[in-house]
Amino acid sequence: QKEVEQDPGPLSVPEGAIVSLNCTYSNSAFQYFMWYRQYSRKGPELLMYTYSSGNKEDGRFTAQVDKSSKYISLFIRDSQPSDSATYLCAMSSNSGYSTLTFGKGTMLLVSP
Amino acid sequence: DVKVTQSSRYLVKRTGEKVFLECVQDMDHENMFWYRQDPGLGLRLIYFSYDVKMKEKGDIPEGYSVSREKKERFSLILESASTNQTSMYLCASSSGLAGGPGSGANVLTFGAGSRLTVL
Repeated sequence: QKEVEQDPGPLSVPEGAIVSLNCTYSNSAFQYFMWYRQYSRKGPELLMYTYSSGNKEDGRFTAQVDKSSKYISLFIRDSQPSDSATYLCAMSSNSGYSTLTFGKGTMLLVSP
Repeated sequence: DVKVTQSSRYLVKRTGEKVFLECVQDMDHENMFWYRQDPGLGLRLIYFSYDVKMKEKGDIPEGYSVSREKKERFSLILESASTNQTSMYLCASSSGLAGGPGSGANVLTFGAGSRLTVL
C-alpha cells in the first residue's frame, strides 16, 4: 500500500463548479497536511497548510483533514479557468528532519 | 521576485556525460531539496540537505550526488547520465526544523524546474 494515494484525473469541470480533490494516506504519524498547486511548466507552490485535524478556509479554498479516516480534501468554490493546474497533496510527521511525502497530483481543468 | 533559481530550464545531454544542475535560493533557508518529477510517478526526493556540507539520501539517490558548499547553493550531479534520468528536476528550499503548528520546514519554495533530456 502506497503511503499517499491521489487520483491523477484529469478532473474536468465547468466554470463556477465546486471542486473536491482528495487524498488518502496510511501513515498515522502524519501531522502536517498541505496542498500545493502546480501550473504547467512551473514549480509547485504552497496553497494550503493544515496542522492535525480540522478545517481551514482561505478565500475560495477550504482544506479538510480527517485523521480518523486518514483522508484529506481540498474544496474549491466558484472554480475559475485560472484554477486549472495540477494539485498535489503533501504530508509530513512531527519529527525534526522529516521530509514531505507527496501524492502524485490531480490535474484539474476548468472550462469557461 | 524569484527566490529559488535553477540555472538551466532545458538541457540536452548525451549518455555518459557528467551533468551539473545548479540551484540558488535567496531566502537564507537552511533546508534544500532536489526532486525529480515524472508522469505517473509524481515527485520523488533524490537528496536533501539541512545545513552547509550536509547531505542526506532521499528515496531515489542512485546515480546522483549533491554538493552544498554554501548555504544558498545546492548542486545536483549526475556522474554519468543515462537515458532513464531524462526527467524534470525541481529544487526546493525551506526554513527550520519540522515540529510545531507553524513549522516552516514544510513550506517548500520550489524553483521553476530543469527539464533534462539524455540521448
